[in-house]
Amino acid sequence: EPEVTQTPSHQVTQMGQEVILRCVPISNHLYFYWYRQILGQKVEFLVSFYNNEISEKSEIFDDQFSVERPDGSNFTLKIRSTKLEDSAMYFCASSEGQFSGNTIYFGEGSWLTVV
Amino acid sequence: DAKTTQPTSMDCAEGRAANLPCNHSTISGNEYVYWYRQIHSQGPQYIIHGLKNNETNEMASLIITEDRKSSTLILPHATLRDTAVYYCIKFGNQFYFGTGTSLTVIP
Repeated sequence: EPEVTQTPSHQVTQMGQEVILRCVPISNHLYFYWYRQILGQKVEFLVSFYNNEISEKSEIFDDQFSVERPDGSNFTLKIRSTKLEDSAMYFCASSEGQFSGNTIYFGEGSWLTVV
Repeated sequence: DAKTTQPTSMDCAEGRAANLPCNHSTISGNEYVYWYRQIHSQGPQYIIHGLKNNETNEMASLIITEDRKSSTLILPHATLRDTAVYYCIKFGNQFYFGTGTSLTVIP
């Protein structure tokens, strides 16, 4: 069964460093997403991406975040200068279409620890 | 925009049916009801979705009331591995998680 894969599964980084989280969405999907979950809190939407553009972003997704589809298979989330509060599980997701009726499938997550 | 309302937690005996309710009284005509679950801190796992009709798949059944203001997810024979947080999401053009229901399956 096709699945969304994410790397790394866990990364520890020093405050102020840049981090890139990588995702391979399901191959025929066109819409890509990043969500995050701070420990003990709910899953929060960060950004959605389609046709090489951000289609929607939340207030959390500020200038320190960026997303990119560098090639035909990968989808990345970059955090430019990490802060302690960026420590969280980051989930990549993908779907065939954009709106309701198109199921969103999630990866297993990348656990980011900022020290 | 009100999201969905679910009980914070529920218990279910192993082997029995788990019935998880969800209130989505503000649902609009084009919004589907989706159910996901999250085991520990793993990625949210898709379970089932529906618009108006009841749905069943290999994991669960979804019962949607005629007025579409509420639904129930049914796990027919709960196992210990079904212990998870279950999220009911109304999905139109936005997809947001609430706090879900923490289901504990008891041996």
